[in-house]
Amino acid sequence: QLQLQESGPGLVKPSETLSLTCTVSGGSISSSSYYWGWIRQPPGKGLEWIGSIYYSGSTYYSPSLKSRVTISVDTSKNQFSLKLSSVTAADTAVYYCAQMGVGATNFDYWGQGTLVTVSS
Amino acid sequence: QTVVTQEPSFSVSPGGTVTLTCGLSSGSVSTGYYPSWYQQTPGQAPRTLIYSTNTRSSGVPDRFSGSILGNKAALTITGAQADDESDYYCVLYMGSGTVVFGGGTKLTVL
Repeated sequence: QLQLQESGPGLVKPSETLSLTCTVSGGSISSSSYYWGWIRQPPGKGLEWIGSIYYSGSTYYSPSLKSRVTISVDTSKNQFSLKLSSVTAADTAVYYCAQMGVGATNFDYWGQGTLVTVSS
Repeated sequence: QTVVTQEPSFSVSPGGTVTLTCGLSSGSVSTGYYPSWYQQTPGQAPRTLIYSTNTRSSGVPDRFSGSILGNKAALTITGAQADDESDYYCVLYMGSGTVVFGGGTKLTVL
């Protein structure tokens, strides 16, 4: 059974860079079939797609976040990572990583999520 | 920017049938948008229910079904149960590797 686990600081200061890692177990991140994505959910609000990456490093980003987001992959560690720069309180959210289906059209397996709070 | 629309809330009686929809602020939803559906209860990660319009994810009971109804994607729950009370989100594939979530529907079973 595929499992995903987010990790990283739970508190980030305004204007700094949020960094999270998703560790994949029970399967290979280098599988040619799947993309890997990041999604977030501000407290009490809906889900928002942040971006996706293929094991080769090819990325897609949400247009609204593109200028601040970088997603990377480390196949040797079976991990992929998210960096979001110049954060504000509006970036406070639960951040989820997920495996995406073929063609990156949907999400299959989800991590449990991690809350990141932006505050000084 | 295209907005994906969902009913903010819906209610259904236990044992009843409910259809939630997923539309576009401009245009019609077709299978080419690969609509997918997710269930989320408070404090939990989303659970994948349906992908590619009408394919159930592994372990999802056949009470949940997906379709295209008119110009929208639809999620139908038949024989609603108390633990179906959740938030439901749709996702549409917009092409060029991008997806968009709908705003979600809060379903009450009462």
